[in-house]
Amino acid sequence: NAGVTQTPKFRILKIGQSMTLQCAQDMNHNYMYWYRQDPGMGLKLIYYSVGAGITDKGEVPNGYNVSRSTTEDFPLRLELAAPSQTSVYFCASSSQGRSNQPQHFGDGTRLSIL
Amino acid sequence: DQQVKQNSPSLSVQEGRISILNCDYTNSMFDYFLWYKKYPAEGPTFLISISSIKDKNEDGRFTVFLNKSAKHLSLHIVPSQPGDSAVYFCAATSSFSGGSNYKLTFGKGTLLTVNP
Repeated sequence: NAGVTQTPKFRILKIGQSMTLQCAQDMNHNYMYWYRQDPGMGLKLIYYSVGAGITDKGEVPNGYNVSRSTTEDFPLRLELAAPSQTSVYFCASSSQGRSNQPQHFGDGTRLSIL
Repeated sequence: DQQVKQNSPSLSVQEGRISILNCDYTNSMFDYFLWYKKYPAEGPTFLISISSIKDKNEDGRFTVFLNKSAKHLSLHIVPSQPGDSAVYFCAATSSFSGGSNYKLTFGKGTLLTVNP
């Protein structure tokens, strides 16, 4: 059972380049999330989705875009990469958005902007 | 401003002894508190949670205690094993703008090292 799969695992971008971080889950979860984790910090929510076609901003959405065309996939788009976006990105999913539902995380994408 | 604080960046204990990881919070509207465990190059994995209306929850070697008046929770691991060595994140849930969907607020994490 794959759970939450993120690709790529590592990527180096130049300033101003764009890229899409891929996230797929095979648990038929409605809720999906994107987080970033900066060194020595906790995870911060970028965007979330409560189902196909529905997305909303989290705490730190600037510089990112998302889409949710299917239940399984939740890609994160960086349009104009900036050094401040160097971070580890985690995608997560949960069956419901209730407070006691733990989220299942992928293994992350480590992104460096140079 | 940090709403969930883990003030100890690291903790080192001997195998077989108790590990106590602490977490403080400021938002009295938090609904549930969760602990996640993270190994290097992997994503966080859910460990144990506690409702804001409870004061203790136990699952095998792991027990979480909640002191609402002090806005403090702790994770106890007894006995500690070398495989427990990981970063432990404290997290709390609250609703988005009072709605029915909930978000997680994470602390910075505590690196636990269990020495054989």
